[in-house]
Amino acid sequence: GQNIDQPTEMTATEGAIVQINCTYQTSGFNGLFWYQQHAGEAPTFLSYNVLDGLEEKGRFSSFLSRSKGYSYLLLKELQMKDSASYLCALMDSNYQLIWGAGTKLIIKP
Amino acid sequence: GAVVSQHPSWVICKSGTSVKIECRSLDFQATTMFWYRQFPKQSLMLMATSNEGSKATYEQGVEKDKFLINHASLTLSTLTVTSAHPEDSSFYICSAKGVRETEAFFGQGTRLTVV
Repeated sequence: GQNIDQPTEMTATEGAIVQINCTYQTSGFNGLFWYQQHAGEAPTFLSYNVLDGLEEKGRFSSFLSRSKGYSYLLLKELQMKDSASYLCALMDSNYQLIWGAGTKLIIKP
Repeated sequence: GAVVSQHPSWVICKSGTSVKIECRSLDFQATTMFWYRQFPKQSLMLMATSNEGSKATYEQGVEKDKFLINHASLTLSTLTVTSAHPEDSSFYICSAKGVRETEAFFGQGTRLTVV
């Protein structure tokens, strides 16, 4: 079967760095995605990893280790607007997205 | 990135009526469209997957006769909530994926309130 775990909620301070972890179990793998979702809005795409390693995109970076079934999203220089839910999703062998429950990130001044 | 337009953004309807939600891919051909439902403070729940020209595949527990999905063209999919009830009130979101696209692109979502 397939399973995705990520923390329910995290709190961080403006200007700091936060790492949101995602662990998964799957029989088929075609990549791992991170999406940001503000309350009442649809998710927006942040990153996609299909090979092991770190992908950096501005203040956001995403890491993948396929052997460990592990990914993280790293957010640097946190801003208040980064307060949102962050969804981890893996693409299975049928190219369907399996979604994690999301991590609610609270940014404090 | 590619653009997916979902319409309407919000709708209020009376119990027992039907509501149609449209999802259009504006600048790419969406071979696959996904329909999700999201209740407040909960994660996305996949309702069904549709491939252009074929019948939608519904997730377990989703009534196919109540949530009618049509994906007749490569740029348009519709979700019709038939005989809506207050418990159908939710945030409905579509996403579309083309052959050339790695990720699925989301529409803006539709807030449905059934009164």
